[in-house]
Formats: sequence, C-alpha cells, structure tokens
Amino acid sequence: DARVTQTPRDKVTEMGQEVTMRCQPILGHNTVFWYRQTMMQGLELLAYFRNRAPLDDSGMPKDRFSAEMPDATLATLKIQPSEPRDSAVYFCASGRGTHNEQFFGPGTRLTVL
Amino acid sequence: GQNIDQPTEMTATEGAIVQINCTYQTSGFNGLFWYQQHAGEAPTFLSYNVLDGLEEKGRFSSFLSRSKGYSYLLLKELQMKDSASYLCAVREKDDKIIFGKGTRLHILP
Repeated sequence: DARVTQTPRDKVTEMGQEVTMRCQPILGHNTVFWYRQTMMQGLELLAYFRNRAPLDDSGMPKDRFSAEMPDATLATLKIQPSEPRDSAVYFCASGRGTHNEQFFGPGTRLTVL
Repeated sequence: GQNIDQPTEMTATEGAIVQINCTYQTSGFNGLFWYQQHAGEAPTFLSYNVLDGLEEKGRFSSFLSRSKGYSYLLLKELQMKDSASYLCAVREKDDKIIFGKGTRLHILP
C-alpha cells in the first residue's frame, strides 16, 4: 500500500527557530508538491519539483523558506527563522506523469509560538 | 492572474443530490481535479477532467466546459459521510496545480 509519508506529524516551536519538514514521495512518482493550508487562505502551492528539479517556488517567501530534493526519496521544506504567521498544516503530494492524480501525505501541523 | 472560485459552504439533505460549481481563470489549462477533504485529514482524489463533458464515477460525476472556464461536481444519493470540503484544482500548462479555497458541504439527516 504505497503512501506519501511526512515527518513530523506535529511540530510546536518558538518564533525564530528553524523548522525542517520531510516528505517521502511514493516510489516511482516524479512530481512532488509542497502546499500550506490555513483556514483563511485554503491550500496554497509553495513549490513543486519534477524529476527532482525545482520548477516553481514563486509561492514561497524566499527570505525564510527553502525547498529541496536531495534524492528521489526525500523532499524537504525548511523555514528559518520561523514566525507565528507560518502556523499552518503543510502537505506534501506526489504524482506520476502529467495527467495523473496527486497523492497527499498526512501533513505536518506546525505551530509557531 | 489565477483565480478559482467555488462557494464557501453548501447544505444538503441525506439522500438528495447536490452540485458544487467551480469557475476558473488561469494562465494555461491542462486539466481540472476535484478532491475531497474531511476535517483534519489530507485531500483525496475524486476526479480529473481534461476534455469537455461529463465523467461519471459511481455516485460522483464531474463536468467540464473549457470554453466557459467552468466545472461542477455532482454528488448523488448523499450520505452523512459525504460531509466534507470539496476542492477544485486546475493544472496549468507547466504542471503547476492551483487549488480553490474549497466548498464545505454539510449533510443534514
């Protein structure tokens, strides 16, 4: 039963601390997306990759956010320094090809105090 | 610019039919998705339309009109478990996928 996994599931941290969220896409999937979801804004695209290459990260605040895929089995999203307004659920999703569905991970619920 | 509109909330009765509309304006179009999201959970895939017309899958159907920038999700024989948010998402030409803010559907017994 192939699934996207994300760690940690919950993270509480203080303002100014670095936060790293990890995602393991489904084996064989070549597209990976990072989304942030809040009640006010809904699901916002932060960055996405195809074949590990970043295609678009225009949705990300570049001064504090960074997204990478060090290898095909790992995608990371880092926030440094974190701020209270970053509190949200962060989803990773992976897919295969250009006309297939995305499979979402369970999300990381981030709370920045 | 990009804009995807759907109603914020809808209410329907168990056993009835409900239609959730989605209109979009995006830079390039390469398909439209519908996802279901229960509270506290991740979105799960319902349907994908790339050509005009109706796609039926059990109790759920999705319609697309590319010329009108319009889609709807039709849910038949509503069940209490269908209470969830329904997200419309557009895939653009560069494979970027943009989501609407979702429609919260409440089912009354």
